[in-house]
Amino acid sequence: AQSVTQLGSHVSVSEGALVLLRCNYSSSVPPYLFWYVQYPNQGLQLLLKYTSAATLVKGINGFEAEFKKSETSFHLTKPSAHMSDAAEYFCAVSDQAGGFKTIFGAGTRLFVKA
Amino acid sequence: NAGVTQTPKFQVLKTGQSMTLQCAQDMNHNSMYWYRQDPGMGLRLIYYSASEGTTDKGEVPNGYNVSRLNKREFSLRLESAAPSQTSVYFCASRDGRNRGDNQPQHFGDGTRLSIL
Repeated sequence: AQSVTQLGSHVSVSEGALVLLRCNYSSSVPPYLFWYVQYPNQGLQLLLKYTSAATLVKGINGFEAEFKKSETSFHLTKPSAHMSDAAEYFCAVSDQAGGFKTIFGAGTRLFVKA
Repeated sequence: NAGVTQTPKFQVLKTGQSMTLQCAQDMNHNSMYWYRQDPGMGLRLIYYSASEGTTDKGEVPNGYNVSRLNKREFSLRLESAAPSQTSVYFCASRDGRNRGDNQPQHFGDGTRLSIL
């Protein structure tokens, strides 16, 4: 079985500060890992994904995430927060066997202070 | 290019009523999904359709049925609505041509459903 834990339901940073959103996963098979962003009253948008090529994955809007197998983590970072980054972020996992059942974390809401 | 379109955007039902949520995508995608989103629980997969003519259960299929009417459309039906089905429902799609990479890629803006 697979699962995802996002540490912190809310994270607040100042504009220009580092953004770090934490995600730990559990999987008995090699995982695919994803980060999605959701703006108010919208659906989710895929930010980036890890599919076993490079461990450091770059996504849209300046975000990146690093897959660390030894720590079972896939934390999302951005060097400098912008007001437009305020949104809810979801980490997700699926298996590399081609399964359709992507498992989502509970989400972390990011607040950006001016 | 509209992407994934869901109708209606909002709906209030009484317990026991039935309803069909509609979803259509104009990207010629093979795979389509229905999720529900509840506070503090992320998204949970209700049903998915890997390709036209096929549907399969996800994590929380009880109380729902689906129809993949054609390649564009994937509807979700609540036969007898219950308060526990109050949620925000999202339809999603993906190209699906790459094996092993089947996560949802494009989402609609959601249907907010309240059941009294």
